[in-house]
Amino acid sequence: AQSVSQHNHHVILSEAASLELGCNYSYGGTVNLFWYVQYPGQHLQLLLKYFSGDPLVKGIKGFEAEFIKSKFSFNLRKPSVQWSDTAEYFCAEAAGNKLTFGGGTRVLVKP
Amino acid sequence: GAGVSQSPSNKVTEKGKDVELRCDPISGHTALYWYRQSLGQGLEFLIYFQGNSAPDKSGLPSDRFSAERTGGSVSTLTIQRTQQEDSAVYLCASSLDRDRPVNEQFFGPGTRLTVL
Repeated sequence: AQSVSQHNHHVILSEAASLELGCNYSYGGTVNLFWYVQYPGQHLQLLLKYFSGDPLVKGIKGFEAEFIKSKFSFNLRKPSVQWSDTAEYFCAEAAGNKLTFGGGTRVLVKP
Repeated sequence: GAGVSQSPSNKVTEKGKDVELRCDPISGHTALYWYRQSLGQGLEFLIYFQGNSAPDKSGLPSDRFSAERTGGSVSTLTIQRTQQEDSAVYLCASSLDRDRPVNEQFFGPGTRLTVL
């Protein structure tokens, strides 16, 4: 069965710090990977997605993720976070159209 | 434009009662999904509807859970004889029907179910 794991459950950092959230997936077939974000009190929103092509994917709000096939990883990065990036971040993999989510990482950015 | 809407936003019920949760997908989206977000289990897939095809029910945790989608639009998730472990946020998502690439799913605000 598919599984997606996120290494950190909670991350606390200060504004302007760099952020990297780890994600590993298990499915070895055609890869469809996503990062979703859930801001406090809001819906899940798509940050970025990878299906094929350039393994460095750029998303909204300055986020990017790198697909490394040999490591089954799809880590999310942002060079300089803002207080407004406080949210829960979910990595997900699709098989067909079903999403399998990681456990989520709660990020708190201190002003 | 209008996004995915769900109702009610909150539902408190007593153990053993049946509940119905409703989802209105984005207009024109033919695929509809239900997920559950709970403290112990994270975000889990429940069921997927695509057009007129038979739904993929592989994520439903027990036969107390069922869902239907009428007219290819609105969907209702029904939980019979609710148990305390059913307490969770139930999320609905919809997407366009295209074979490739995998479509972005747009999520609703969820229904928070509390079973006392």
